[in-house]
Amino acid sequence: GAVVSQHPSWVICKSGTSVKIECRSLDFQATTMFWYRQFPKQSLMLMATSNEGSKATYEQGVEKDKFLINHASLTLSTLTVTSAHPEDSSFYICSASRGPVYGYTFGSGTRLTVV
Amino acid sequence: AQTVTQSQPEMSVQEAETVTLSCTYDTSESNYYLFWYKQPPSRQMILVIRQEAYKQQNATENRFSVNFQKAAKSFSLKISDSQLGDTAMYFCAFMLASGGSNYKLTFGKGTLLTVNP
Repeated sequence: GAVVSQHPSWVICKSGTSVKIECRSLDFQATTMFWYRQFPKQSLMLMATSNEGSKATYEQGVEKDKFLINHASLTLSTLTVTSAHPEDSSFYICSASRGPVYGYTFGSGTRLTVV
Repeated sequence: AQTVTQSQPEMSVQEAETVTLSCTYDTSESNYYLFWYKQPPSRQMILVIRQEAYKQQNATENRFSVNFQKAAKSFSLKISDSQLGDTAMYFCAFMLASGGSNYKLTFGKGTLLTVNP
């Protein structure tokens, strides 16, 4: 149980275009999901907390207008990278939880390359 | 704010031997959870083990065990009988037990473990 599906696993886009990444909890409801960014050989950096039915809470330094987060249902959160540029190229990971005692389940990640 | 420190950027161990990864954390709270996650080359984050701060007994999961020292704010991971498949980046993580946005994880910088044949 507690499976989180993330799509796409990799995407290449042209500079200036937008890319949407989906994160789905397949067998449980997640009122809260988290989006991380990870650079090579570095730790996960929390970008934002996605709450079902309300606005996302962004970490300091994360551009809200560039990284749009929507949590439309208890099983789906999306991250849209708007007007992507090469510096947005990175590995993006989502996670979800049924509750703190269960820990967190992570998606398999999305490798974004902006050319 | 909570911080998590992993002082060993890289470690290596021979197959079948035992290795211990270090983690220390800083918090003024008394109720929290600690985790070890593994990230193999596939980059899928996998939960290795979890410890509730209110439990004195150290958590164990098969070959994986922790040494939780609450007063010292230390949470080390011991891997026994190391296997080649244990090669991965290991992240120590902290989470407050209070609700709302405090459920977010704070990660250490990670330790790259290589198991040699």
